[in-house]
Amino acid sequence: ETGVTQTPRHLVMGMTNKKSLKCEQHLGHNAMYWYKQSAKKPLELMFVYNFKEQTENNSVPSRFSPECPNSSHLFLHLHTLQPEDSALYLCASSNRTGVISYEQYFGPGTRLTVT
Amino acid sequence: QKEVEQDPGPLSVPEGAIVSLNCTYSNSAFQYFMWYRQYSRKGPELLMYTYSSGNKEDGRFTAQVDKSSKYISLFIRDSQPSDSATYLCAMSPNNQGGKLIFGQGTELSVKP
Repeated sequence: ETGVTQTPRHLVMGMTNKKSLKCEQHLGHNAMYWYKQSAKKPLELMFVYNFKEQTENNSVPSRFSPECPNSSHLFLHLHTLQPEDSALYLCASSNRTGVISYEQYFGPGTRLTVT
Repeated sequence: QKEVEQDPGPLSVPEGAIVSLNCTYSNSAFQYFMWYRQYSRKGPELLMYTYSSGNKEDGRFTAQVDKSSKYISLFIRDSQPSDSATYLCAMSPNNQGGKLIFGQGTELSVKP
């Protein structure tokens, strides 16, 4: 595997279900990100992890719970979601060079549908 | 007012045309400007970046930043059907490590 991988690629879940999204980066990076991409809306940054420590939580509802066990893996645990949470969830990684990490490498995303 | 405004399109051009994609922004603190390309059913990939004002060229692609007007552009010369994708502009101020602000993306279709 190369780059950033995400599983599953597609997920349909009911509002009472609990599921997890997985992201793995094979690039040796030390920062990882979760983004939400909804139709016709800009990418929304959800969480940032640097060296496994969460450094950004962009006012995300608690029904989304991230976990970063090491610099290569990132999870997004989902529970009691709402239909408006249906979107493409993208994971990205980058190297922290100085204070800017503009070069982010994205995975293919998980298409989530909440019924 | 959104921090970054981008015309969502869709934009349809014939093969060989010059394409101009644009974003405006309101935050004068932005210093780093990026263009990402996103093919259907794929994640975005970094196409070009520029720091502060000026031009940057890479093959058929040219990125321009005009900080006085808070306006950035991406030009694609001799456009190809393989350029059909959604183009996302993104920006970041200094000292905001990793936090990119994206435009909503412009969908481009290049017809053969």
